[in-house]
Amino acid sequence: DGGITQSPKYLFRKEGQNVTLSCEQNLNHDAMYWYRQDPGQGLRLIYYSQIVNDFQKGDIAEGYSVSREKKESFPLTVTSAQKNPTAFYLCASSPGQGAKNYGYTFGSGTRLTVV
Amino acid sequence: GENVEQHPSTLSVQEGDSAVIKCTYSDSASNYFPWYKQELGKRPQLIIDIRSNVGEKKDQRIAVTLNKTAKHFSLHITETQPEDSAVYFCAASSGFRTGFQKLVFGTGTRLLVSP
Repeated sequence: DGGITQSPKYLFRKEGQNVTLSCEQNLNHDAMYWYRQDPGQGLRLIYYSQIVNDFQKGDIAEGYSVSREKKESFPLTVTSAQKNPTAFYLCASSPGQGAKNYGYTFGSGTRLTVV
Repeated sequence: GENVEQHPSTLSVQEGDSAVIKCTYSDSASNYFPWYKQELGKRPQLIIDIRSNVGEKKDQRIAVTLNKTAKHFSLHITETQPEDSAVYFCAASSGFRTGFQKLVFGTGTRLLVSP
């Protein structure tokens, strides 16, 4: 069953703590993305990666970090520098150049709450 | 950068009525416009998309229209059903020809279809 798997589904973070959200895909997609979803604000881009070992900041990258060591994996770390991390985080992937289908495939999301 | 505005933020219709959601974009280079449906607590799913070389696309009860001159595109749902109730997001991207999509999303429209 091909798709994107995000884990955990729910995550609680204490003040000053770093946490890492997992995103794994078996779709052989080149590009991967992290979005943050807040009520009434839609989806905002945090980081994206077009190929392995390369990634770029999105619109709200401050307080977050990523890595892309494998094509299948694109973990997101929410650092203590992110002052308001409570949100729903969505990972997505899309095929690379030459693909006929350009749509994103989303994971099921991780809901992060600061306690 | 690209900016996408979406209206209305909420839309209530009676079952069987039509629903229209409108989006405008700012970057004239944008050439790919997908629409996503997100049911409560679930991942966004692509329902229809349109590319800049097409003015209209239909898929059963769903249609999307694109006006490149005015830089706006719309989602039309006919004969609405209660299961159409969800949040709908529009998005825009300029990556169609390169094969890499960096989508900018609208803020979403909550559609409620009453029986």
